[in-house]
Amino acid sequence: NAGVTQTPKFRILKIGQSMTLQCTQDMNHNYMYWYRQDPGMGLKLIYYSVGAGITDKGEVPNGYNVSRSTTEDFPLRLELAAPSQTSVYFCASSRDITNEKLFFGSGTQLSVL
Amino acid sequence: DQQVKQNSPSLSVQEGRISILNCDYTNSMFDYFLWYKKYPAEGPTFLISISSIKDKNEDGRFTVFLNKSAKHLSLHIVPSQPGDSAVYFCAASGHNFNKFYFGSGTKLNVKP
Repeated sequence: NAGVTQTPKFRILKIGQSMTLQCTQDMNHNYMYWYRQDPGMGLKLIYYSVGAGITDKGEVPNGYNVSRSTTEDFPLRLELAAPSQTSVYFCASSRDITNEKLFFGSGTQLSVL
Repeated sequence: DQQVKQNSPSLSVQEGRISILNCDYTNSMFDYFLWYKKYPAEGPTFLISISSIKDKNEDGRFTVFLNKSAKHLSLHIVPSQPGDSAVYFCAASGHNFNKFYFGSGTKLNVKP
């Protein structure tokens, strides 16, 4: 049982490049989230989705875009990468609004140089 | 600015002893509090939670205590085992769970 799968695990980008972080879950969860974790800091919410076709901003959405065309997939797009986006990115999902437990992917380590 | 704080970046404990990890929050609207455990190169995994209507929740060796008046929660691990060595995050949410706020984590090292 795969759970939440993120790809790639590691990536180095040059300033100004773009990329998409992929996230897919096989638990039929309605809620999906993108977090970033900077060194010595807690996880900060970038974007979340409550279902296919519905997304909303979290605490730190600037420089990112998301889409949710299916229940399973929730890709995160970085346009014009900046050094401030160097971080570890985690995708997570949860069943519904009554379930507080998040299931996380293993993370993507991104460096922007 | 940071609504959930874990002021101890690290904690070292001898195997068999108690580990106490602390967490403070500022938003009195938070209703649910959770602890996650994270091993290197893995995503966080859910450990235990507590609702604001309770002041204690137990699950095996893990107990979470909530002091609403002090806006403080703690995670007790008894007895501590080397496999408990990991980073522990506390998190808090309001009544709808679409936004969780995480602390910066405490790295626990349990020495054999």
